[in-house]
Amino acid sequence: DVKVTQSSRYLVKRTGEKVFLECVQDMDHENMFWYRQDPGLGLRLIYFSYDVKMKEKGDIPEGYSVSREKKERFSLILESASTNQTSMYLCASTIYRATNTGELFFGEGSRLTVL
Amino acid sequence: AQSVTQLDSQVPVFEEAPVELRCNYSSSVSVYLFWYVQYPNQGLQLLLKYLSGSTLVKGINGFEAEFNKSQTSFHLRKPSVHISDTAEYFCAVSRSTGNQFYFGTGTSLTVIP
Repeated sequence: DVKVTQSSRYLVKRTGEKVFLECVQDMDHENMFWYRQDPGLGLRLIYFSYDVKMKEKGDIPEGYSVSREKKERFSLILESASTNQTSMYLCASTIYRATNTGELFFGEGSRLTVL
Repeated sequence: AQSVTQLDSQVPVFEEAPVELRCNYSSSVSVYLFWYVQYPNQGLQLLLKYLSGSTLVKGINGFEAEFNKSQTSFHLRKPSVHISDTAEYFCAVSRSTGNQFYFGTGTSLTVIP
């Protein structure tokens, strides 16, 4: 089975702190994604990566950065956390196919609270 | 651009009753369609997907969905729900080329004993 592991299920941070959210997948997937989930807004794409050291902005990249140094690992970074970044963060991966028939596999989520 | 509309944000239904969760999408290109389920405090898992072929797709846990190209809809149905079906359900689309997925805002299904 594909496994996508997010390192922290629950985090509490203070405004201005630097926050790292780590995600590891074990199925050699090329594509990895970070989503933010908020009630009534569904899932919104922050960043995605289709290869090592490659990244592309999603719909809401402001205030976030990402790192993909190894194929299996995709990190989301909040350089200076703010209260409006309190949310559930979901990592996902999918194998790259030209016709994109692959489904997304999700981690269990990281619930971040910024005080 | 793609957009996905889930018409009902909350759906309460009695146990053993049928349910339909509605999803409409807009796209000028061919798309693939997915339904995901999210149980409390968990990530999303795939219920079913439509890529091509038969417009009626069967998934896990007794769910099925029908792709209607003329109405650009992909509604999810189950003939008899259980308490364990209480969860958030998300409709998603991806283009036939490219690597982005687009999600609806979700429908919270509550099954009442």
